[in-house]
Amino acid sequence: DGGITQSPKYLFRKEGQNVTLSCEQNLNHDAMYWYRQDPGQGLRLIYYSQIVNDFQKGDIAEGYSVSREKKESFPLTVTSAQKNPTAFYLCASSIGPGVGSGANVLTFGAGSRLTVL
Amino acid sequence: AQTVTQSQPEMSVQEAETVTLSCTYDTSENNYYLFWYKQPPSRQMILVIRQEAYKQQNATENRFSVNFQKAAKSFSLKISDSQLGDTAMYFCAFMKPSGNTPLVFGKGTRLSVIA
Repeated sequence: DGGITQSPKYLFRKEGQNVTLSCEQNLNHDAMYWYRQDPGQGLRLIYYSQIVNDFQKGDIAEGYSVSREKKESFPLTVTSAQKNPTAFYLCASSIGPGVGSGANVLTFGAGSRLTVL
Repeated sequence: AQTVTQSQPEMSVQEAETVTLSCTYDTSENNYYLFWYKQPPSRQMILVIRQEAYKQQNATENRFSVNFQKAAKSFSLKISDSQLGDTAMYFCAFMKPSGNTPLVFGKGTRLSVIA
């Protein structure tokens, strides 16, 4: 079945450590996105990539880094520079513009919960 | 920049009743897309309904329908015959017309369906 796989589901990090969250999709989607979710804040955009080897900062990119070396993969690294990394992280992808019910629709993974100890 | 506002942090409804969730947005674009996503306790984001701004007809999906008022920049979601499985966070979201651009989300409305 096609979909988006995020791993790990739960992750614990000590202060000062970098951690990488994995996001893989087999939907053949061009664009991929990372959002952060905090209670009462909705979803806020960290980074997005519209095509391989290219990505743009979102609203809260500080302390995070990404890469897009393959169409299927868009890993997110939470660096030690991120002051408050405890949150729920959601990865999504989209096929892009066009006709049909799937156009411009984001499909989400199940999320990763990061806790800083 | 686009903004999306959901003014009702929490709502509740009796099973089988109808409930309406509010959403307003701000944009200078003439064409765009609007969405409602549902996030149940599993935290999986699920698309509920999508509306294209150039279409005047309100979108419907089974028990879910929207009231899209473009001039007022309002996009409310109506859930008819509410079911216990509708209990979730509901997020309103905006997308620019060019495609493959990020969604801008509201802060969400927590809906509880009561038996």
